[in-house]
Amino acid sequence: EADIYQTPRYLVIGTGKKITLECSQTMGHDKMYWYQQDPGMELHLIHYSYGVNSTEKGDLSSESTVSRIRTEHFPLTLESARPSHTSQYLCASSDSRGAGELFFGEGSRLTVL
Amino acid sequence: QKEVEQNSGPLSVPEGAIASLNCTYSDRGSQSFFWYRQYSGKSPELIMSIYSNGDKEDGRFTAQLNKASQYVSLLIRDSQPSDSATYLCAVNKDGATNKLIFGTGTLLAVQP
Repeated sequence: EADIYQTPRYLVIGTGKKITLECSQTMGHDKMYWYQQDPGMELHLIHYSYGVNSTEKGDLSSESTVSRIRTEHFPLTLESARPSHTSQYLCASSDSRGAGELFFGEGSRLTVL
Repeated sequence: QKEVEQNSGPLSVPEGAIASLNCTYSDRGSQSFFWYRQYSGKSPELIMSIYSNGDKEDGRFTAQLNKASQYVSLLIRDSQPSDSATYLCAVNKDGATNKLIFGTGTLLAVQP
């Protein structure tokens, strides 16, 4: 079973607030990802990291930012939340030495009022 | 055209039947292929991976890959109500980054 953890699982917050979604993995994976998924829709990659201090934007434009200061930790931050940010955010990791599988955390469901 | 296409369903099968889920992809350079199961409100869970043409079996699940036709399928034998979920096809175009491209998923409903 994958050891990747996300907090909070659910967050309801008002417009304009700053939020940080936490993601940690204990598998020593070098690559980490943030995907965004709206109900009934496909997953879209919004951020990717291939190692410490290395991040890049994904295919879907996002106003969020990420950091990768430690291998195991990949937090996502929204400086000023808006209702359009309401979505499920899924963190995942993979190992360069593996076959390309992604292992997902349980997700953070964000609702911005 | 989407890079990974799946029929959204729902695909309804009776308990004990074989469920057949299909996926096509557009990039001929794609290297590895995955099936994820996602229960409503939950995160995706990897159930099968396949890298070379042919069939790969794991318990009640069989993945099939045909690179010439750019086609991947998942067969679920002896379907159970607990198999009811959305099945996501994912394609890895770049082995250096492992950035998977996901289809929209097929909703499977197994009727008791």
